[in-house]
Amino acid sequence: TQLLEQSPQFLSIQEGENLTVYCNSSSVFSSLQWYRQEPGEGPVLLVTVVTGGEVKKLKRLTFQFGDARKDSSLHITAAQTGDTGLYLCAGDTGTASKLTFGTGTRLQVTL
Amino acid sequence: NAGVMQNPRHLVRRRGQEARLRCSPMKGHSHVYWYRQLPEEGLKFMVYLQKENIIDESGMPKERFSAEFPKEGPSILRIQQVVRGDSAAYFCASSLNQGNQPQHFGDGTRLSIL
Repeated sequence: TQLLEQSPQFLSIQEGENLTVYCNSSSVFSSLQWYRQEPGEGPVLLVTVVTGGEVKKLKRLTFQFGDARKDSSLHITAAQTGDTGLYLCAGDTGTASKLTFGTGTRLQVTL
Repeated sequence: NAGVMQNPRHLVRRRGQEARLRCSPMKGHSHVYWYRQLPEEGLKFMVYLQKENIIDESGMPKERFSAEFPKEGPSILRIQQVVRGDSAAYFCASSLNQGNQPQHFGDGTRLSIL
């Protein structure tokens, strides 16, 4: 059974601070996706990374896929209150396309 | 809005009744996935379907649960003789193809069992 562990589980910071969320596994994934989920809504796709060592930037968000494609990180620069939400990583082994979701990181950004 | 559409958004059933959850994929997407999110838990894969075919149902409970994706119309997740433990948010996702194609999610159906 593939497991994706995210850390930290909860994070409460003030606006303007930087933060990093980690997603780790002992399994290799062909691709890894990051989602953000608001209460009462479905996960919204932020980015997909497919190549080991790949770095993708989305405004203040920087995503990195580990060289061995077993881990990933999400770094947010100068967090804003609108970044508040549940961040989920999800890995795809490529064989059956089902996603294995991480345990989630709940981020709260306050003024 | 060409996103994944799920209905109903909220569904209340009594123990022993049947629940039917519907999912219309994004336009042009022929791959549908169902996930379940239990309270305070992460999303867990249930089933993966293409038109008229079940590709992977390894996450489906062996009894009472079934899924279909007919040639015409939405994908249906059916839960017979519901029990309290079935209370959860059920999410549908669709993708253009399998492999590295990203999955786009609907807003889910929140099922409550009385």
